[in-house]
Amino acid sequence: KNEVEQSPQNLTAQEGEFITINCSYSVGISALHWLQQHPGGGIVSLFMLSSGKKKHGRLIATINIQEKHSSLHITASHPRDSAVYICAVSSSGDKLTFGTGTRLAVRP
Amino acid sequence: DARVTQTPRHKVTEMGQEVTMRCQPILGHNTVFWYRQTMMQGLELLAYFRNRAPLDDSGMPKDRFSAEMPDATLATLKIQPSEPRDSAVYFCASGSPGRTGEQYFGPGTRLTVT
Repeated sequence: KNEVEQSPQNLTAQEGEFITINCSYSVGISALHWLQQHPGGGIVSLFMLSSGKKKHGRLIATINIQEKHSSLHITASHPRDSAVYICAVSSSGDKLTFGTGTRLAVRP
Repeated sequence: DARVTQTPRHKVTEMGQEVTMRCQPILGHNTVFWYRQTMMQGLELLAYFRNRAPLDDSGMPKDRFSAEMPDATLATLKIQPSEPRDSAVYFCASGSPGRTGEQYFGPGTRLTVT
């Protein structure tokens, strides 16, 4: 079993829909990261959080340390949000362990 | 606009050849990471450095891979000899853990070994 599990693996949504991507982990962590990988391959860090909730534009990330679970929400989704979203955890120092990613396609 | 740069962006080589990938971290960042991404394994950490010293290279096949930081502005990842199973995208990332812990990724080097 992977230390970091994401669901769903693939997600298709209509423009404007509210989207949730989930991440569960099995180890103690110091921080959890959400990354976005564009269709061209570039990787961008969206959030790093160790408790509570963070918001940036239409993106919201939450984490529940007790339940070892995090969610990434996208409100009013847009085709430009189409990408692979990757959850990663750091449990010792800066070393990241990655989930397998969620491939999101938003249709106009 | 500070960015991590990587060269080359694409490399096609024959099995047995030496491959060197280079990374220039963001100026002032003291932590550098090398990752490999494949369809089968996803993203994996190969090695990382802090203040140019290697902290963890447990993800790296030691017999053929080596990672160095000759100076604060250059990190290298070398494969010798290369094998077809090394075909992947290799990402470099840099960060300043004393501040946010965020990592900034380079565009990657897509390596194909035939």
